[in-house]
Parts: sequence; structure tokens; C-alpha cells
Amino acid sequence: DIQMTQSPSSLSASVGDRVTITCRASQSISTYLNWYQQKPGKAPKLLIYSASSLQSGVPSRFSGSGSGTDFTLTISSLQREDFATYYCQQSYSTLVYTFGQGTKLEIK
Amino acid sequence: EVQLVESGGGLVQPGGSLRLSCAASAFTFSSYAMSWVRQAPGKGLEWVSGISDSGGRTYYADSVKGRFTISRDNSKNTLHLQMNSLRAEDTAIYYCAKVTTYRSDYWGQGTLVTVSS
Repeated sequence: DIQMTQSPSSLSASVGDRVTITCRASQSISTYLNWYQQKPGKAPKLLIYSASSLQSGVPSRFSGSGSGTDFTLTISSLQREDFATYYCQQSYSTLVYTFGQGTKLEIK
Repeated sequence: EVQLVESGGGLVQPGGSLRLSCAASAFTFSSYAMSWVRQAPGKGLEWVSGISDSGGRTYYADSVKGRFTISRDNSKNTLHLQMNSLRAEDTAIYYCAKVTTYRSDYWGQGTLVTVSS
């Protein structure tokens, strides 16, 4: 199975900061990489798919990049509502879509 | 609007069984693969199982292989997860998710499964 590793596991930042979260796959997954946001008590929400495509309705301050094994999620200017946990997910393996361990973004 | 509503969760003893359901609406259910994802208390997301649009192909995480069975009834727009030989480590919120071209674009609200004596 493909393993996904995110870093950091947690991150403290302030409103207005630029934040980057990294995700690494254990093998090349081309651009079959998605990013989700989850707030406490809620279901995950799709932010970015195919490594860099913005899901409809998601603010443009969110962006994704990368291919192969290394990927990043960037939030250009943090807003209060962005404090949440973020997960990457590979979709290279047919319907075996494993997740990274998550990155908790907290207010500094 | 697309809706996914899970049901069937609850308290079950170790070794017991439970069947989860996910009722789908507002999209052509038979045209999309579906998956189950779980989240243990205070932990991250774990992909559990996936099923193709026709139901002909199924996939499982190693942690549940041989104990869980995913299925779907396209005539009733419903996804199922039959869970047998349940263990304490299966305690989690179970989400169903619609799969669109290699991504899960809609999720249910989740149903809580607690395995405890």
C-alpha cells in the first residue's frame, strides 16, 4: 500500500500568515493527490484535487502543487475560519485512497 | 443538493456484528464509486473500503480485510458496510463518501460505532 506522510503534524500560525503543509508519498503517484479540511465534529471537506485543482466554492487563498512524491498545500493569508486539521489523500491506487496522518493548524 | 445519510451505528460487544447503511440522494448513484472512511476518537482519517459504480469491484484496508464487506443496492441508492468480528480498535465514526474522478467530493455526517463490553 502507498503510505502518505504529512509534515508538520501541528502548526501554530496567526491570521494573515502564509502557511505551507507538506505531504510525501511512499512511491510516485503522479498528481493523484487530494487535500481535505476537517473542523471538529464535522465531516471532511474537499479543498484541492489532482494536486492543484481548486474544488468549486473553495477560496482562492488555498492552492496546491507538486507531482510524483512531494506535494504542498499553501494558504496564502490565513483567515480565522481556516484553523482546522488538514489531510492529504492519494488516489493513485484504484479505490484504495489512503490518507496522511493530518496536520492540525492552530491559532498562535 | 447531494445528500449522504449514514445509519446503523451503535454500541456492540467485541466479536459482534453491525451493518451500516448510507442513503444517497440527488445524484445518479449507480454512476459513481463509493467509499467508507472512519475516524477513531481523537485520531486521523482512515480509508476503510471502496466499491465500484456497478458493485463488481471491492477494495479493503488490510485492517478490515476478511471481516468487513462493502456492498451497494443501486435500485435503492444505498451503500452498506457489513462489519463482523468487531474489535475495540474498530471504534470510530464511519463516513460514507461519493467518489468522483479520483476524489471524495461529498461526505455524509457520519455514524458512530462503539465496540465495548
